[in-house]
Amino acid sequence: DIQMTQSPYSVSASVGDRVTITCRASQDISSWLLWYQQKPGKAPKLLISSASSLQSGVPSRFSGSGSGTDFTLAINSLQPEDFATYYCQQAKSFPLTFGGGTKVEIK
Amino acid sequence: QVQVQESGPGLVRPSETQSLTCTVSGGSIGGSDDYWGWIRQPPGKGLEWIAIINYSGTTYYNPSLMSRVTISVDTSENQFSLKVNSVTAADTAVYYCARWRSSLGCFDPWGQGTLVTVSS
Repeated sequence: DIQMTQSPYSVSASVGDRVTITCRASQDISSWLLWYQQKPGKAPKLLISSASSLQSGVPSRFSGSGSGTDFTLAINSLQPEDFATYYCQQAKSFPLTFGGGTKVEIK
Repeated sequence: QVQVQESGPGLVRPSETQSLTCTVSGGSIGGSDDYWGWIRQPPGKGLEWIAIINYSGTTYYNPSLMSRVTISVDTSENQFSLKVNSVTAADTAVYYCARWRSSLGCFDPWGQGTLVTVSS
């Protein structure tokens, strides 16, 4: 199985800050990397596919980068609605696996 | 656009079989490259993929659950289902159904989720 490791586990930030979240795969997954946002009591929402392709309707302050084993989700100018938990997921091979999540909290 | 919605009992007794159904609306469950799947999230924890299925019945399972799980599809009802056998407290979780887009490998959209509690 491909293990997905996210860091940090949580981050405290203020509105307007830039936040970066890292996701590392245990083996090469090329660009088969997705990012999701989950707010409390809600289902995850797809933000980014193919490591860097922003989904329609997702604000441009979100961006994804990376390939192979190391990936980054960046949020520029953090907004109040961005406080949530973020998950990465690999789709290179079965079983599909998720990272453990990164909680972005208000400082 | 496509929407999915979970349904099923919220309480299951230990050792029994848990059954959930996902109804697809706004589109057909068949005739495309899409798969349909289940993901679960224990309270306060992360996401775990369970299984996916396409309209013709091709399935992929998480090996960690494969021995106790069955996913099926009913194209006439535009629904797919999940059964989990011999449940224990460790199966207590919010269960989400979702479309899996094989071209991107992503789950989108997701249902709102349904909490299944295993307790006597």
